[in-house]
Amino acid sequence: SQTIHQWPATLVQPVGSPLSLECTVEGTSNPNLYWYRQAAGRGLQLLFYSIGIDQISSEVPQNLSASRPQDRQFILSSKKLLLSDSGFYLCAWSRDRYNEQFFGPGTRLTVL
Amino acid sequence: EDQVTQSPEALRLQEGESSSLNCSYTVSGLRGLFWYRQDPGKGPEFLFTLYSAGEEKEKERLKATLTKKESFLHITAPKPEDSATYLCAVRLGGNTPLVFGKGTRLSVIA
Repeated sequence: SQTIHQWPATLVQPVGSPLSLECTVEGTSNPNLYWYRQAAGRGLQLLFYSIGIDQISSEVPQNLSASRPQDRQFILSSKKLLLSDSGFYLCAWSRDRYNEQFFGPGTRLTVL
Repeated sequence: EDQVTQSPEALRLQEGESSSLNCSYTVSGLRGLFWYRQDPGKGPEFLFTLYSAGEEKEKERLKATLTKKESFLHITAPKPEDSATYLCAVRLGGNTPLVFGKGTRLSVIA
């Protein structure tokens, strides 16, 4: 069966510090991978999605970036965090773009 | 303008009191509608996928239905453990990503 991991589970960072969130998927190959941010009252916002290594699309212009160094690894990064980057970050995977997405446990990021 | 609207925003039910949650969408060319359950502080858990009008899916006390413009998530005789936020998402054609609604927060009181 497939499982998706995210770490860390929670993170408190000062404004201007760098960020690295990691997501890995087990039990499948060549998954589509996604990064979402969930803010209270605003629903899920898609940040990045990837259909393969070095194939990453950005949905929202911001100070975040994503990388996919391995087939089942997806990393969300920032060089300098802003207060507005606080939120609940979710990684998800799907077999292809047509089918359901499966979400990880999430990372709660607080920028102070 | 939101493409996916969920109503009500919050719903409080007594245990055993059946009800329905609504997900309406304004886009055309639907290629799939997805329902998720999300518990506080956790990632959404996949429930159902519906592809065409008239389709129905069931799981325990939950039944999802789809028409051309909306989907309903029916909850029959709910229990307190059904308390959660329920999200719906729609997928259009091509390379467009899922569009999520803001969710319905369901509370079931014993």
